[in-house]
Amino acid sequence: DIQMTQSPSSLSASVGDRVTITCRASQSISSYLNWYQQKPGKAPKVLIYAASSLQSGVPSRFSGSGSGTDFTLTISSLQPEDFATYYCQQSHRTPYTFGQGTKLEIK
Amino acid sequence: QVQLVQSGAEVKKPGSSVKVSCKASGGTFNRYAVSWVRQAPGQGLEWMGGIIPMYGTTKYAERFQGRVSITADKSTSTAYMELNSLSSEDTAVYYCARDLARTISGTTYDWFDPWGQGTLVTVSS
Repeated sequence: DIQMTQSPSSLSASVGDRVTITCRASQSISSYLNWYQQKPGKAPKVLIYAASSLQSGVPSRFSGSGSGTDFTLTISSLQPEDFATYYCQQSHRTPYTFGQGTKLEIK
Repeated sequence: QVQLVQSGAEVKKPGSSVKVSCKASGGTFNRYAVSWVRQAPGQGLEWMGGIIPMYGTTKYAERFQGRVSITADKSTSTAYMELNSLSSEDTAVYYCARDLARTISGTTYDWFDPWGQGTLVTVSS
């Protein structure tokens, strides 16, 4: 199985901050990497697919980059509604696997 | 716009089985795969397996192989996930999600969108 490792596991930041979350795959996954946002009690929602493509309707302050084994999700200017948990997920091969999550909290 | 609507919460005894449904409304998912992902309380996301309703082909994560069965009824655009031999470790929210695909520069990528609202399965004696 492909292991996905996110860092940090948690992060405190303020409204307006620029935030970067990283995700590393245990083997090369090309650009088969997706990012999701999950709020408490809700289903995850896709933000970025294919490593850097912004899902329709997602604000442009979210961006993704990387290929191979190293990926990043960047939020350019945090908004109050962005405080949530973020997961990366590889779709290179089954079993699809997720990172352990990064909880973004208000400082 | 397709929405996935799941069946309601379940409470089960250890050793029993649970079957959760996932119905597509506002469209169908027949041409796409449907996956099941679970999330134990306070934990991360775990892919269990999926099905392509049009063909009935399934894939399962090895750790659930033999204990999970994913099926689909094309006529009602409903997918099902049945998990057997339940233990307390199976207490979790179970989500279905459409496996959406798009070809970009000749390469097909897929991701989960949309997701169902989740079904809490509690296993307790």
